Amino acid sequence: DVKVTQSSRYLVKRTGEKVFLECVQDMDHENMFWYRQDPGLGLRLIYFSYDVKMKEKGDIPEGYSVSREKKERFSLILESASTNQTSMYLCASSLLGRTGSQETQYFGPGTRLLVL
Amino acid sequence: DQQVKQNSPSLSVQEGRISILNCDYTNSMFDYFLWYKKYPAEGPTFLISISSIKDKNEDGRFTVFLNKSAKHLSLHIVPSQPGDSAVYFCAASGRWGAQKLVFGQGTRLTINP
Repeated sequence: DVKVTQSSRYLVKRTGEKVFLECVQDMDHENMFWYRQDPGLGLRLIYFSYDVKMKEKGDIPEGYSVSREKKERFSLILESASTNQTSMYLCASSLLGRTGSQETQYFGPGTRLLVL
Repeated sequence: DQQVKQNSPSLSVQEGRISILNCDYTNSMFDYFLWYKKYPAEGPTFLISISSIKDKNEDGRFTVFLNKSAKHLSLHIVPSQPGDSAVYFCAASGRWGAQKLVFGQGTRLTINP
């Protein structure tokens, strides 16, 4: 069974704080993703990575950065948290797959972040 | 610009009846479509998918239909069970690498006993 774990289920931070969200997967997946989920907007991709030290911007990267120093771990960093970053953050991983194929993404349980 | 749209935020269905969840997309470059199911306090889990070369894919009680000319797909659940109560997300991907998914807004399905 694929397991994707996220370091915290709930987090409360103050405006301006630097926030680290950690994600670890145990299935040797090449791809890892960070999404945020907001009511009425669904899941939106923040950043993704297809290899160690590689990262690509998703649809809403502003205000975020990421780090992937090891294959199994993908960190999302909020450099200076703002109230509009209050959200549910979801990490996912998948195999790299063949060109043109679609590999299933496996999600962690999510981190609900509240920025005051 | 919402490329994948689920226009019904919620749907209520009687247990045992058919549930039909709908999804529309605008990008003709999408060639693979997926449905994910999400329970509260859990991450989404993969349910069923369909490639653009097919118009139907079935897995037990779940069937996904794809109408490429209308850029529309639907998920049918029959018969609906109380455990099917969840939020359902439609997602799409294209051949741009790393299997990026574009998700819809989600539809909350409630199955009434």
